[in-house]
Amino acid sequence: DAGVIQSPRHEVTEMGQEVTLRCKPISGHDYLFWYRQTMMRGLELLIYFNNNVPIDDSGMPEDRFSAKMPNASFSTLKIQPSEPRDSAVYFCASTGWGTGYSPLHFGNGTRLTVT
Amino acid sequence: SQQGEEDPQALSIQEGENATMNCSYKTSINNLQWYRQNSGRGLVHLILIRSNEREKHSGRLRVTLDTSKKSSSLLITASRAADTASYFCATDAPREYGNKLVFGAGTILRVKS
Repeated sequence: DAGVIQSPRHEVTEMGQEVTLRCKPISGHDYLFWYRQTMMRGLELLIYFNNNVPIDDSGMPEDRFSAKMPNASFSTLKIQPSEPRDSAVYFCASTGWGTGYSPLHFGNGTRLTVT
Repeated sequence: SQQGEEDPQALSIQEGENATMNCSYKTSINNLQWYRQNSGRGLVHLILIRSNEREKHSGRLRVTLDTSKKSSSLLITASRAADTASYFCATDAPREYGNKLVFGAGTILRVKS
């Protein structure tokens, strides 16, 4: 199994630009999560999907952030326009069962730097 | 605020020694999980302990859970340099918080060879 695949691994962009982060979950996993990790705030859950449907997006910081899951094997997290405070490592994770009942499998993250 | 909080924030030990990390949380839980994160990588699941369990083992890992004190500990025995990483506890938040898995701030473990 290839695990959760995220791309790109690193992204450097200028303030105001659109950023799109991509994730391919493990095949057969029905739940997909987007987390953001910073030194100041630790790991924050942004949004999660079940069977491609967004279930809870209360962690999405602002309207500048949006996430989609058009099919079971692909999800995107978009930031438009990006700001320096969005600089962080963004993780995608998936699991086959409900949150809290089975372990999450994380990708290696996308390190985003907004200058 | 975060559901789980680890203690200590950082720990430095010699290879071969045991490492103990603690996690406290605030609400009732269904289970508690521990994860490891190596530098520049994603989190890797280590062990899951359910609320009706008190202790669980996996190789050199031993996890305890005390629901009356709302705390858990992770013990790594006979540590190795390869155990150097950050360790996080995660609790599934109650239904009123959306059944989300919430992570603590983590403990940075450094094992010196």
